[in-house]
Amino acid sequence: AQSVAQPEDQVNVAEGNPLTVKCTYSVSGNPYLFWYVQYPNRGLQFLLKYITGDNLVKGSYGFEAEFNKSQTSFHLKKPSALVSDSALYFCAVSGDNYGQNFVFGPGTRLSVLP
Amino acid sequence: ETGVTQTPRHLVMGMTNKKSLKCEQHLGHNAMYWYKQSAKKPLELMFVYNFKEQTENNSVPSRFSPECPNSSHLFLHLHTLQPEDSALYLCASSQERGRGGEQFFGPGTRLTVL
Repeated sequence: AQSVAQPEDQVNVAEGNPLTVKCTYSVSGNPYLFWYVQYPNRGLQFLLKYITGDNLVKGSYGFEAEFNKSQTSFHLKKPSALVSDSALYFCAVSGDNYGQNFVFGPGTRLSVLP
Repeated sequence: ETGVTQTPRHLVMGMTNKKSLKCEQHLGHNAMYWYKQSAKKPLELMFVYNFKEQTENNSVPSRFSPECPNSSHLFLHLHTLQPEDSALYLCASSQERGRGGEQFFGPGTRLTVL
């Protein structure tokens, strides 16, 4: 069965500093990995995904994530945080065996301080 | 939003009421999902439809009844709910279940059960 861990409930970073939101996963087969962001009273918005290929994936709003197979991690990064990046971030995984559903992590709240 | 719409956005109902949540996707997708998002809890997958057929029911109480008349529409019929059912209900769609495609989410319906 798949599982996702986001070890930090809350991440605080100063505006302009780099940010990292951590995600580790467990899945049978090869992983499909995703990051989503949720702003207050909104649905989840897709940021980026890893299916295969280059381990560094670039997504929306300047975010990127690095797939590390040996560490089973898929950390979300951004070189320079903006106050508007403050939101709830979810990592999700599914496997490449047909029919596997998404499993979402518990979420990490990112606060970017001006 | 993202091509997935949900109505109503807010709903307050008593425990004896019957109501329905509606979801519509304009993306040409074939899979649709209902999720429940409660405070302090991970996102819970409730139901999955793939090509109009229900493929998953994650032990959801029978007071929640899904309906998928076609690939573009998904309903969640509610009756005799409990206060603990108060949550944000999110609808999502993807090209096809379990093929590594990202899910696109609607804005959600904020449900309050009195």
